[in-house]
Amino acid sequence: KNEVEQSPQNLTAQEGEFITINCSYSVGISALHWLQQHPGGGIVSLFMLSSGKKKHGRLIATINIQEKHSSLHITASHPRDSAVYICAVKGYPSGTGNQFYFGTGTSLTVIP
Amino acid sequence: KAGVTQTPRYLIKTRGQQVTLSCSPISGHRSVSWYQQTPGQGLQFLFEYFSETQRNKGNFPGRFSGRQFSNSRSEMNVSTLELGDSALYLCASSLWFRDNTGELFFGEGSRLTVL
Repeated sequence: KNEVEQSPQNLTAQEGEFITINCSYSVGISALHWLQQHPGGGIVSLFMLSSGKKKHGRLIATINIQEKHSSLHITASHPRDSAVYICAVKGYPSGTGNQFYFGTGTSLTVIP
Repeated sequence: KAGVTQTPRYLIKTRGQQVTLSCSPISGHRSVSWYQQTPGQGLQFLFEYFSETQRNKGNFPGRFSGRQFSNSRSEMNVSTLELGDSALYLCASSLWFRDNTGELFFGEGSRLTVL
């Protein structure tokens, strides 16, 4: 069983479209991270959330702690947004301490 | 401000050997965490260090170990290498805030190939 589930796995969008990537998790968490990885590139942190909503430029991240769900939105998508987006949580599994759990990633392609 | 530095960037080993990877965090960051990334399993958490102490550990066998030095630099070691250990090993540094990890800043990784 995966502690973190992301959807969709793959996403193709036209430039300018509004994009939503979803993340559900099954453990109690202290924080949720959204990460971006370009092909052959390193990983960049986009957001760290423990509640509510955050916005950076065209990116918005929300989290609902009660429903154990987070969404990453990209407004006015651009080809440079093409990357893999990974949801990660720092969880509190019972009896084993905190550890990070990762989703399998959403591969986004934005077509000009 | 220099980012997270990982060395070596690439290395090739044979089964049964051991390997040591190094991670220098961003200046002022005292937390370092390590991850394994493979095409089949994705990203997996190895361990996390703060103030020279292992704070959290993932579900990897004892062949995987690490340590952190007083200057916050960290090393991880894999002994008795297996073919399945071939992967990109990433470290991330962060501030430690309210007894927990802050935003993660990743290095470019060390790509290990085991033959």
